[in-house]
Amino acid sequence: TQLLEQSPQFLSIQEGENLTVYCNSSSVFSSLQWYRQEPGEGPVLLVTVVTGGEVKKLKRLTFQFGDARKDSSLHITAAQPGDTGLYLCAGARGGTYKYIFGTGTRLKVLA
Amino acid sequence: GAVVSQHPSWVICKSGTSVKIECRSLDFQATTMFWYRQFPKQSLMLMATSNEGSKATYEQGVEKDKFLINHASLTLSTLTVTSAHPEDSSFYICSARPATGGNTIYFGEGSWLTVV
Repeated sequence: TQLLEQSPQFLSIQEGENLTVYCNSSSVFSSLQWYRQEPGEGPVLLVTVVTGGEVKKLKRLTFQFGDARKDSSLHITAAQPGDTGLYLCAGARGGTYKYIFGTGTRLKVLA
Repeated sequence: GAVVSQHPSWVICKSGTSVKIECRSLDFQATTMFWYRQFPKQSLMLMATSNEGSKATYEQGVEKDKFLINHASLTLSTLTVTSAHPEDSSFYICSARPATGGNTIYFGEGSWLTVV
């Protein structure tokens, strides 16, 4: 059972376009993280959110944690080819640090 | 930043043999490490939580006798795939949480296992 569903699964866009990736669950998470993974490498942490309604910005990336701490979104403004990769959300419940990963969103940004 | 190193980066083994993958936290101590596996084009699936000095906690559906985990020190956890079969071929990734606490989990670079 996958606790965290991401949408879309795949996304191919042109350079300069904006996009939003969603991470949804019926479970409440004490913290949620977003990662980006390149092929053949380990995932790289982008952000951690812990408070319902929290919004964090990392350059062109904006992350939001849902008020009920069940969902999150990642918005990329003016996407660049370097943003290409697999984006993963991961949530931990009950104050543990056992992160369960979402289904993943594979993004391709075309020059 | 904190570094977690996995060894080997890739390994090919014959069906029926066992293979060990190491996960080391190079510049911090980790009381807890996590092992994941990832099949091509899929997400990471948590296999087990490795606790220093105690038995690992396995996720549902993961055979503990097949995937042996040992966390003998604060900087090293090992995953041994016993009697490997081709279906065990996968990308295995570990992560470590610093003993000092915090929300950040540090991931290793991953280890590719191919069973032939």
